[in-house]
Amino acid sequence: GAVVSQHPSWVICKSGTSVKIECRSLDFQATTMFWYRQFPKQSLMLMATSNEGSKATYEQGVEKDKFLINHASLTLSTLTVTSAHPEDSSFYICSAREELGQGANYGYTFGSGTRLTVV
Amino acid sequence: RKEVEQDPGPFNVPEGATVAFNCTYSNSASQSFFWYRQDCRKEPKLLMSVYSSGNEDGRFTAQLNRASQYISLLIRDSKLSDSATYLCVVTLNTGGFKTIFGAGTRLFVKA
Repeated sequence: GAVVSQHPSWVICKSGTSVKIECRSLDFQATTMFWYRQFPKQSLMLMATSNEGSKATYEQGVEKDKFLINHASLTLSTLTVTSAHPEDSSFYICSAREELGQGANYGYTFGSGTRLTVV
Repeated sequence: RKEVEQDPGPFNVPEGATVAFNCTYSNSASQSFFWYRQDCRKEPKLLMSVYSSGNEDGRFTAQLNRASQYISLLIRDSKLSDSATYLCVVTLNTGGFKTIFGAGTRLFVKA
């Protein structure tokens, strides 16, 4: 099946620094990838939709200058958390849209997530 | 009203029990429906798509009711390993492709 690789799986950084998270589709091309954030005991919240070769679409309330998304190729999207602060500590997960059979349009294969802790 | 609503549970059931979850969605233009499973501190994984005709995969059965705007997931003969959070996912395209996750239903299967 489709595999999405996400790195790093966890990172601890100092407040004010930037952190880059990579999301790669390993055996399929993903023109569209999604970035989510999940706080403890809450569901995933979509942050932005990453489109290969064009600007990302951000959800309301998500600062595009703080969460930089680059989708430069059909297999790689990156999320950079700039000037990270403790409130940015969260579980960040990417997913890539894949085609499913049997009439269903698309499914989503998730990366394994990145646990970010800003101290 | 939330766009996708699920009973958060938790559902506590004994092994071998049958348990059902419902998920309601508010936008009649919703196109595709899925159930995902998420284990604690792990990424969600696709459990099954939900087709209009209903579909079954082993002990799992998914149904879609467009008229009442809900989907369901039935788990038969529950196993301890079924303990997880089950997320209802709805996609729609209203001038832009959008995916909405429900908050999840927590299931505990006990021996």
